[in-house]
Amino acid sequence: EPEVTQTPSHQVTQMGQEVILRCVPISNHLYFYWYRQILGQKVEFLVSFYNNEISEKSEIFDDQFSVERPDGSNFTLKIRSTKLEDSAMYFCASSERRLTNYGYTFGSGTRLTVV
Amino acid sequence: AQKVTQAQTEISVVEKEDVTLDCVYETRDTTYYLFWYKQPPSGELVFLIRRNSFDEQNEISGRYSWNFQKSTSSFNFTITASQVVDSAVYFCALSEASGTYKYIFGTGTRLKVLA
Repeated sequence: EPEVTQTPSHQVTQMGQEVILRCVPISNHLYFYWYRQILGQKVEFLVSFYNNEISEKSEIFDDQFSVERPDGSNFTLKIRSTKLEDSAMYFCASSERRLTNYGYTFGSGTRLTVV
Repeated sequence: AQKVTQAQTEISVVEKEDVTLDCVYETRDTTYYLFWYKQPPSGELVFLIRRNSFDEQNEISGRYSWNFQKSTSSFNFTITASQVVDSAVYFCALSEASGTYKYIFGTGTRLKVLA
């Protein structure tokens, strides 16, 4: 069964450093998303991406965040200067269409720890 | 504004008991979609069901059943004869057709099934 692959599974970074979280969506999918989940809290929408541009972003997705699909297969989330409060699980998701019977396919997440 | 409320933070049951997880949503859209996801201790998000706003038919899948009532804006999830493997955090989510189909998640209900 096709999967959304996220790497690394766990990343530790120092406050103020830049991090890039990587995702490989399912190959024929066209819609891409990032969500985050602060430990023990709900899953929150960050950004949606379609046709090589951001289609919607949340208040959380400020100037410190950016997304890119550099080579047609990877979908990355960059945090320019990490803060302690960026520590969270980050989920990538992809979808063939805007709405499918089974929802998006989520990756297994990258746990980011900012120290 | 869209919102999903899962008032039950944590529920503990003994194996083989039935348990119902509540979900109440708010939306101004007339077309929307509701989802349930399971998050086991390993952390991934596992799709369980999608429901359309125009289809109030209840659904049963094995030990799982869902009760969708537009009149009360609720989409409750029942597990019959619970098992230890059902122990997880369960999230209800809302997606509106007028937007980019982003998900608005509830805060989740942690279910503990005791042997």
